[in-house]
Amino acid sequence: DGGITQSPKYLFRKEGQNVTLSCEQNLNHDAMYWYRQDPGQGLRLIYYSQIVNDFQKGDIAEGYSVSREKKESFPLTVTSAQKNPTAFYLCASSIGLAPYNEQFFGPGTRLTVL
Amino acid sequence: AQSVAQPEDQVNVAEGNPLTVKCTYSVSGNPYLFWYVQYPNRGLQFLLKYITGDNLVKGSYGFEAEFNKSQTSFHLKKPSALVSDSALYFCAVRDIYSGGGADGLTFGKGTHLIIQP
Repeated sequence: DGGITQSPKYLFRKEGQNVTLSCEQNLNHDAMYWYRQDPGQGLRLIYYSQIVNDFQKGDIAEGYSVSREKKESFPLTVTSAQKNPTAFYLCASSIGLAPYNEQFFGPGTRLTVL
Repeated sequence: AQSVAQPEDQVNVAEGNPLTVKCTYSVSGNPYLFWYVQYPNRGLQFLLKYITGDNLVKGSYGFEAEFNKSQTSFHLKKPSALVSDSALYFCAVRDIYSGGGADGLTFGKGTHLIIQP
């Protein structure tokens, strides 16, 4: 999966809990992304970051938060405000935000709310 | 605004036959187009992209795709299917003037490709 690691692979959350999903890349890429994948809906962008200490909301940012303190790391926190968090979460990176750059994806984290 | 349509939820092909997975797009300007493949419980893998130039793009694992501007299509093809090609395939588009975020990469809903032995 192209030098991007995500952990854990499976995560179970009780209602009302915040959980943090890890994403690390060793590709020296500037841009990083978080997507949510639901069956039959394709991928939807949650947040993206172009450089350290900067990030922008995507299409479905409500109930999520991110940080980008290091170039290699882009953790995603799913907060209790996210009403339907059960999904497959994918982290990706690209050399930059230029539209012709392909994105490289991690193996994903499957989050289930109990 | 930009959008992608993958009109078939599932495509069934016999092993050894040619395969086509369809994709049509809509952008206000000129497109950059991508195909990705996803195996069960895994992340997406990049297959190929169209930026400019030759309308026939060759990618990984023997796949190719043909850009057709008049039909706004970017169908994925392979001359001879393998059982191991069975997976979920995503088409994605980006307007050449877009940045990231909501105006960045837009994915289709995916097509399940099933290759029967």
